[in-house]
Amino acid sequence: AQKVTQAQTEISVVEKEDVTLDCVYETRDTTYYLFWYKQPPSGELVFLIRRNSFDEQNEISGRYSWNFQKSTSSFNFTITASQVVDSAVYFCALSEARGVTSGSRLTFGEGTQLTVNP
Amino acid sequence: KAGVTQTPRYLIKTRGQQVTLSCSPISGHRSVSWYQQTPGQGLQFLFEYFSETQRNKGNFPGRFSGRQFSNSRSEMNVSTLELGDSALYLCASSTGQCTDTQYFGPGTRLTVL
Repeated sequence: AQKVTQAQTEISVVEKEDVTLDCVYETRDTTYYLFWYKQPPSGELVFLIRRNSFDEQNEISGRYSWNFQKSTSSFNFTITASQVVDSAVYFCALSEARGVTSGSRLTFGEGTQLTVNP
Repeated sequence: KAGVTQTPRYLIKTRGQQVTLSCSPISGHRSVSWYQQTPGQGLQFLFEYFSETQRNKGNFPGRFSGRQFSNSRSEMNVSTLELGDSALYLCASSTGQCTDTQYFGPGTRLTVL
């Protein structure tokens, strides 16, 4: 069975600080996909990034960066120079590639509530 | 391109009643998945529909059911509501390839009294 763990329940930082959100996953599959979603108070889950298990390159998108390490089964997310608008719950999720007939499902971590104070 | 839409956004029901939630996927997407979000259990997968067929199912009782129409719109039904069914129900759409990203709607907030 697959599992995603986000050990940090809540993080509070001051604006302009860098913050890293941790994500550790478990899966028996060799092919899988990892995601990060952001959930603002409005409730909608906003897609941020997707990585597949064969691509361990780190990625940077503006103030966001992601560090994927298969050796430690981690997919961490860093926000540089945080802003108040970054305040939200962030979810890490895992999807196993089971084939067309089996479809897919996302297994989510517990989420990390990030509060950025002015 | 319009995003995923869900109706209604808020619902209040009493125990024992039934409820139907609706989800319209992104145009061109053929897969719709449903998730339940509660403070205690987090985000949990309910089921996925693809081409009008349930393709994947989570561990929820039979009171939770769904269907998908030929235009890919999906409905989720919960019968004999219990207090524990109070949750945010999120719908996600994708092209249907198992490797694809799921895009979520704003959710329906269901309160059972």
